[in-house]
Amino acid sequence: DQQVKQNSPSLSVQEGRISILNCDYTNSMFDYFLWYKKYPAEGPTFLISISSIKDKNEDGRFTVFLNKSAKHLSLHIVPSQPGDSAVYFCAASYSGAGSYQLTFGKGTKLSVIP
Amino acid sequence: DAGITQSPRHKVTETGTPVTLRCHQTENHRYMYWYRQDPGHGLRLIHYSYGVKDTDKGEVSDGYSVSRSKTEDFLLTLESATSSQTSVYFCAISWDISYEQYFGPGTRLTVT
Repeated sequence: DQQVKQNSPSLSVQEGRISILNCDYTNSMFDYFLWYKKYPAEGPTFLISISSIKDKNEDGRFTVFLNKSAKHLSLHIVPSQPGDSAVYFCAASYSGAGSYQLTFGKGTKLSVIP
Repeated sequence: DAGITQSPRHKVTETGTPVTLRCHQTENHRYMYWYRQDPGHGLRLIHYSYGVKDTDKGEVSDGYSVSRSKTEDFLLTLESATSSQTSVYFCAISWDISYEQYFGPGTRLTVT
């Protein structure tokens, strides 16, 4: 039972345009969501997060939107740059988990074309 | 970057042999985690620790054991490696009451 789903395995975007990566979740108890970025042969790096009490969080070129009713979140990257080419993982957790365990999606590979 | 190292970075071993992977942190974070990453599966939690000598199972714990005798080290042991345990293993750490986890560089393990 996959609780966090990233239905697009890959995405290609032109440099300078907007990249939109999507994530859906099924567990209504999730109340904290994160995005990680991963380059080949490196560990994932934390990118941005959002609590369920918010519907938007921005950090520079990165914005995460949360639609709780649809159990959907998205990561917007504007403008996209070639260095953004990586695999992006969506992750979720809930405060009742106690140990702050994260449940990850399978990832979306973003390619930004110069 | 958080001070997390993993050793070894690469290992090839034979089926049936024991293997221990080490995660070392210099951040004094309470929580430590072991994940495996496989194509088509993303990152899956194997075991985690919430303090010295305090560990618990994750989603895919069968065939793995862990130990944490001091804050800075978290060991993952495959008692008898199988080919299905060929994977990239990541260690992660997090601070108290923090959802953000910080990952090590990974260990690529191949079981032949």
